[in-house]
Parts: sequence; C-alpha cells; structure tokens
Amino acid sequence: DAGVIQSPRHEVTEMGQEVTLRCKPISGHDYLFWYRQTMMRGLELLIYFNNNVPIDDSGMPEDRFSAKMPNASFSTLKIQPSEPRDSAVYFCASSLQGGDYGYTFGSGTRLTVV
Amino acid sequence: GQSLEQPSEVTAVEGAIVQINCTYQTSGFYGLSWYQQHDGGAPTFLSYNALDGLEETGRFSSFLSRSDSYGYLLLQELQMKDSASYFCAVSAGGGNKLTFGTGTQLKVEL
Repeated sequence: DAGVIQSPRHEVTEMGQEVTLRCKPISGHDYLFWYRQTMMRGLELLIYFNNNVPIDDSGMPEDRFSAKMPNASFSTLKIQPSEPRDSAVYFCASSLQGGDYGYTFGSGTRLTVV
Repeated sequence: GQSLEQPSEVTAVEGAIVQINCTYQTSGFYGLSWYQQHDGGAPTFLSYNALDGLEETGRFSSFLSRSDSYGYLLLQELQMKDSASYFCAVSAGGGNKLTFGTGTQLKVEL
C-alpha cells in the first residue's frame, strides 16, 4: 500500500483565496483525521470521519474551514477565504478501529498564506 | 477536555538509555500512544498502551500506569537517527480520536 497520500505537498496562496487540500486514506481504514501542526499550537485535531461520516468537527477553527469525505478513498479540507494565520502543516491520517493499530499519517501539506 | 505534559527537550549520548515521561489529565481514558516525528516529516506510530505495564518493541518500550495517569517511552541503545520529536497522545471518550501532547525534542549526541 502506498500509505496515506496528500496533495499538494506545498501550497503558497494569497490571503483571501480558496485553498483545497486533498487526502487519500489507506484502503480499508475506516477512520480519517485532519490535523494541523504549528509551532505555537502543536498538533491539533480539526475533524475526523468514521465510515465517511463526520463525527467530530469541534476542532475546526471557524466557518472558513470545511471538510468532506464523499467516499472511502477521498477527503478534502477547504479554507475559504484563507488568512495568514492559517499557515501551518496540515496532516491527514487514517486508521482502523482501535488505538492499538495507530494512525498512519500522510506527508502533510505545508500551507503558506501571504 | 484533555491535557498532557511532557518535557520540551531531552539530550542524551549515543548508546545511552533515555526515558521520556508523559502525564495526562482526561476523562474516559482509553489508552496512551507514542509517535515519533523527524524534522520535516510526518508523525509515525511507535506504541500503544491500554493496560498497565510495559510494552516492548525492539529498542523502544512504553509504560503505562492508569492509576497515576502517567506513562513513559524508553529508548535504549540510542542512535543518531533517534534524534526527533516524540509525542504522547491520549485516546479518550471513544471514537478513536487522539489528543497529542506538545512533544519532546530528543537530541542524541556523539
């Protein structure tokens, strides 16, 4: 398996623009997570899905952020409009049920909003 | 909510043993996990403890005491490649979601 695949690896955009981050989880994993990592706030859970259904989006910063999972093999995180404070590394991770399986993280998308 | 505490930085020499501690406060605790992250890389799963005791995986071991809300990661025979950040993370309240600590940066020196 190729692991969790995220695209793009890097994204530089201007404030006010729409940004879409993409994720393909590992086939057969029924959980998908979106995390954001910054020096100041560490790894923050934004939202997670179970069997394509959003379960907890309490970490989504505000209405500018939205996430979808239209099928078991694809998810998007969208920021509209983007702001400089959204600059971070965004990770997607997938897992099977049960903590002992662990999460498999994608390589992340480094987002810079100027 | 949940809170986790771990040291921000630890330095050790190659070949030595190092222990990274983690204390947590949470309700509905399920388990404690450990992840490794090299600079510029993604976190990778190391271990998971749901029950009290020591779990060993090669040079790495992880310990949990549920009554003390405490765990640690033990790294033996340290190698330069072990220089990385190590995160403890708790799963609580069901749903398989993890809350991560702030991470411990381990520097391995010659």
